[in-house]
Amino acid sequence: QQQVKQSPQSLIVQKGGISIINCAYENTAFDYFPWYQQFPGKGPALLIAIRPDVSEKKEGRFTISFNKSAKQFSLHIMDSQPGDSATYFCAAPRPHAGNNRKLIWGLGTSLAVNP
Amino acid sequence: NAGVMQNPRHLVRRRGQEARLRCSPMKGHSHVYWYRQLPEEGLKFMVYLQKENIIDESGMPKERFSAEFPKEGPSILRIQQVVRGDSAAYFCASSPSGQASNWYGYTFGSGTRLTVV
Repeated sequence: QQQVKQSPQSLIVQKGGISIINCAYENTAFDYFPWYQQFPGKGPALLIAIRPDVSEKKEGRFTISFNKSAKQFSLHIMDSQPGDSATYFCAAPRPHAGNNRKLIWGLGTSLAVNP
Repeated sequence: NAGVMQNPRHLVRRRGQEARLRCSPMKGHSHVYWYRQLPEEGLKFMVYLQKENIIDESGMPKERFSAEFPKEGPSILRIQQVVRGDSAAYFCASSPSGQASNWYGYTFGSGTRLTVV
């Protein structure tokens, strides 16, 4: 069964530090790799996504790096802030062709940024 | 432009009762997905629907659970004869129509927190 392997499961970072979360996938029908951020009691919200005609996408303090040959992508949070404390999920499209939009999800990373 | 609307936000049911969870997708979105999440756990896929059609129900328990997305009105996730193990947060997400290779992911609702007592 298709999997997306996300690591680490939990992460503690000091304020101002860099948070790095990694994901590895198997095969996908098309190249689209999003990261979602979820705060307690809320639904996940799209944080940043990449279509790998580029190897990196940056939005403010958040960067996705993508390595197509290794089938890996990662989220970097620069200058991490306590407000970034949340659970982060990566996802990848299901492997089969067609118009099916089902995403395969990582298990999540709980990030805590200490003040 | 309202987002994905889920109601109720909180639902308490006694064991054996039925729970009905509603989801109105974003305007223009015709694909709906239901997920279940337990505290401190990830998102468990349940079912993927388009209007009047179930695309993938591989994550749905074989008994007591059903889902629909009628031509008119919201998508409904129905749980019959609820048990304590059904207590969880249930999230609905939607995505737009068009070529899958051109889409930009899901928009999630705020969830329904079901408590079975």
